[in-house]
Amino acid sequence: GAVVSQHPSRVICKSGTSVKIECRSLDFQATTMFWYRQFPKQSLMLMATSNEGSKATYEQGVEKDKFLINHASLTLSTLTVTSAHPEDSSFYICSVDGWANTEAFFGQGTRLTVV
Amino acid sequence: GNSVTQMEGPVTLSEEAFLTINCTYTATGYPSLFWYVQYPGEGLQLLLKATKADDKGSNKGFEATYRKETTSFHLEKGSVQVSDSAVYFCALLLIGNEKLTFGTGTRLTIIP
Repeated sequence: GAVVSQHPSRVICKSGTSVKIECRSLDFQATTMFWYRQFPKQSLMLMATSNEGSKATYEQGVEKDKFLINHASLTLSTLTVTSAHPEDSSFYICSVDGWANTEAFFGQGTRLTVV
Repeated sequence: GNSVTQMEGPVTLSEEAFLTINCTYTATGYPSLFWYVQYPGEGLQLLLKATKADDKGSNKGFEATYRKETTSFHLEKGSVQVSDSAVYFCALLLIGNEKLTFGTGTRLTIIP
């Protein structure tokens, strides 16, 4: 199956700075990637669908100016948390292609801590 | 809307114990159901899946049966090992909809 690499696995940043998280599909061309967020003891919540060569589709309640998504190639999507605040501290995880009857392949996740 | 409710953790068991992690769902339609596992420091991996009622998914000694009448997909294993320690996520996917809906995850710790 597809291998998805996410980087970094952990990041600590100061409040007000921006952080970029990369999601790479290493052996599969992904026209669509998904970004999820998980708060402690809560579900993985879909934030946005990243579409190669076009704008991302954001879920209701997710600020598109806060969470910038760029999917410039078939193997790379990036999520930038802009002007991060402590409440943005969370676990972010990307995935590739969750169609019915097939697997969704996930990155390792990124633990973001904003101090 | 669609939702998945799974057993809250953490769950701690002794090696060779019997495991059940409950999962129930609500969906507008007939979803495919999945169990994903996340080992420490790794991403989510598909453990097993079932795409229609009465299907049984199985892998690595784990099993789950798609029960439409009870809208459930409980995960079971007859004899757990220390290496099974991980977080387990139940999820659903509706045909034609790319978006997985996850449960909250259940942390399982197996002690020797």
